[in-house]
Amino acid sequence: DAKTTQPPSMDCAEGRAANLPCNHSTISGNEYVYWYRQIHSQGPQYIIHGLKNNETNEMASLIITEDRKSSTLILPHATLRDTAVYYCIVLIQGGSEKLVFGKGTKLTVNP
Amino acid sequence: DAGVIQSPRHEVTEMGQEVTLRCKPISGHNSLFWYRQTMMRGLELLIYFNNNVPIDDSGMPEDRFSAKMPNASFSTLKIQPSEPRDSAVYFCASSLRDTNRGEQYFGPGTRLTVT
Repeated sequence: DAKTTQPPSMDCAEGRAANLPCNHSTISGNEYVYWYRQIHSQGPQYIIHGLKNNETNEMASLIITEDRKSSTLILPHATLRDTAVYYCIVLIQGGSEKLVFGKGTKLTVNP
Repeated sequence: DAGVIQSPRHEVTEMGQEVTLRCKPISGHNSLFWYRQTMMRGLELLIYFNNNVPIDDSGMPEDRFSAKMPNASFSTLKIQPSEPRDSAVYFCASSLRDTNRGEQYFGPGTRLTVT
């Protein structure tokens, strides 16, 4: 599976959009991009995933560049409860189910 | 649905003792995963099962660790004998492999302390 690179930390003001970047320049054509988050002392939580089209659900939006070498997770109106570590993971659909978690981005939403 | 259930939530034991962690996956899910999280190593996959069969145990640190899934609704992770370096939070997760194999649902974790 391709490796991902994320900034170690980011800050965001409450009510503003949080844009979390992820670089996956070695991604292959059949690898999906997954995003998870882990709120302190809890288990990781699935957020969203995509292949090449932009995706949106009730939690967030995922924007994948046309060359698929990077993506951005968008939390449109961040709240204090969105403070967490966010992980970007690539996974071959139809292949192994093994998720490899990196260090992620620690997002702090400030009041 | 109650989600993934893990027990105990906290375990404190002495070095050399046997430790058994338990997990009940979400009903209907056919894949089950055991992860370990430490400050030093982050979140790492130990083993996963599909339809109760172990598929990948390459993350199991050594022979002191073993995992079983006797049926679709129960799995155990056993450490015997335990050592202080096994202290970590152990997460169990489950998924429905046939629909979206990257969407895993995690339990609350078991915090293990070995003294």
